[in-house]
Amino acid sequence: GENVEQHPSTLSVQEGDSAVIKCTYSDSASNYFPWYKQELGKRPQLIIDIRSNVGEKKDQRIAVTLNKTAKHFSLHITETQPEDSAVYFCAAYIGAGSYQLTFGKGTKLSVIP
Amino acid sequence: DAGVTQSPTHLIKTRGQQVTLRCSPKSGHDTVSWYQQALGQGPQFIFQYYEEEERQRGNFPDRFSGHQFPNYSSELNVNALLLGDSALYLCASSLTGGSQYFGPGTRLLVL
Repeated sequence: GENVEQHPSTLSVQEGDSAVIKCTYSDSASNYFPWYKQELGKRPQLIIDIRSNVGEKKDQRIAVTLNKTAKHFSLHITETQPEDSAVYFCAAYIGAGSYQLTFGKGTKLSVIP
Repeated sequence: DAGVTQSPTHLIKTRGQQVTLRCSPKSGHDTVSWYQQALGQGPQFIFQYYEEEERQRGNFPDRFSGHQFPNYSSELNVNALLLGDSALYLCASSLTGGSQYFGPGTRLLVL
C-alpha cells in the first residue's frame, strides 16, 4: 500500500474559514514531516515542517500537528484567503535512515471569495 | 542569495533520445535530490546525491543516472527516452538531513 496517504484530494472552503488536510504514514521510524504548497505551474514551496520530537508547530496562520502513536500528521490553515488556493503535499522519510522523501498525492484547496 | 536553479526550463525530445538536466543548489547546501512529477501527481523520488556519490535511489530504472560535481551542482541524465518519461523534473537542495528546497523544474516532453 501507499507509504504516505493524504486526504482529502480536494477541499473547498469559504474565505475566512479553516482548512485541515490529514496524512498518515506507514513507518514508525519516520521522524521528519514537511508540507509543500504548489501553485499552478510553479515549484513546490516548503511552508512548514515538523520533527518527531515536537507535537505541534505554528507559523502565523499555518500549523502542523503530529501524532506519532497514530502515525498521522495534519496541516491546519486558519482564516483562509484566496491566495491560499493551491495544491498541498505532505511528505515523510520512509524507512530508518532513509533519505527518500515520499510524498502524498496532494490536496487541491480552493478558497472561495 | 540565489535559490535553487535548474536548466533548461523546457525541453522537447523524441523517443530513444538522451537528455541531460542541470541543477544548481541553494548557496550553502551540499545535497541534491531529483524528483519526477507527472501531471496531477506528487513528486516521485529518483535519487539523492551527496559528496559526489549517489546516496539513495528510488524505484527508477538504470536509464536514469546522475552526477554531482565538486561545487555541489548536479546533473540528471535519462537515456533511451520513453513517452512515459514526459514530466516535470524537479531538483531539491538541502544541507544533509535538513529541509529540502525545490528548483523551478524542467518540463520534458517526449514525442
